Amino acid sequence: DAGVIQSPRHEVTEMGQEVTLRCKPISGHDYLFWYRQTMMRGLELLIYFNNNVPIDDSGMPEDRFSAKMPNASFSTLKIQPSEPRDSAVYFCASSNPGTPRDEQFFGPGTRLTVL
Amino acid sequence: AQSVTQLGSHVSVSEGALVLLRCNYSSSVPPYLFWYVQYPNQGLQLLLKYTSAATLVKGINGFEAEFKKSETSFHLTKPSAHMSDAAEYFCAVTASGGYQKVTFGTGTKLQVIP
Repeated sequence: DAGVIQSPRHEVTEMGQEVTLRCKPISGHDYLFWYRQTMMRGLELLIYFNNNVPIDDSGMPEDRFSAKMPNASFSTLKIQPSEPRDSAVYFCASSNPGTPRDEQFFGPGTRLTVL
Repeated sequence: AQSVTQLGSHVSVSEGALVLLRCNYSSSVPPYLFWYVQYPNQGLQLLLKYTSAATLVKGINGFEAEFKKSETSFHLTKPSAHMSDAAEYFCAVTASGGYQKVTFGTGTKLQVIP
C-alpha cells in the first residue's frame, strides 16, 4: 500500500494567490482528516470527512479555507486568497473503516510558504 | 470535551538512559489515548494506543505507556534510548463513546545525546 499521498510536497506562493492542496487517502479508509501544524499552534484539526461528507469543519480558520472530497480517493484543501499567516505544514490523514478511533495514517505533509 | 497536556516541550536523554515523556489527559468520558511519533519532515505515525483493555500498553520500537486513571496520566517510557528515537512525540485523546475528533497535545521533542 502506498499510504496517504499528498501533493505538492512544497508550495511557495505570494500573498493573495489561490493555493490548492491535494490528498489521496489509503484505499478503503472512509475517514479523512486535514490538519495544520505550526510552531506556534501545534497540530490543529481543520476538518474531517466520513464517506466523503464533511462532518466537522469547526477547525477551519476562516472563509478563505475550503475543503472538498468529491470521491473516496481524493480530497482538496483550498486557500483563497492566501496570507503569510497561512504558512504551515498541512497534513492529510485517513483511518480504517468503521473504527474512527483507530489509528490515523498520516501523509508526508505539504509545506506551504506564503510570501 | 477532552484535552491532553504534555509536560516539557523538549526532553534530552543520554543514549542508553530511560526515556520518560509525560502526558496528562482530561476527559468527561472514558478516553482512548494514543502516542504518535513524528520524525523530521514526515507525518505522524502511531506508536501505541490505549482503548480500555490492558492498562499497560506496548508499542513499536520498545516503547510502552501505562494508563493511570487515578492520576489521569498516560506517560510514555522506554528503558534504553537509542539515537534513532530522536523525534517529536505527540500524545492524543479521543472519547470512547461515539466518535469524537482526536485532540493532539503540543508535542515533546526528544533529543538523544550520544
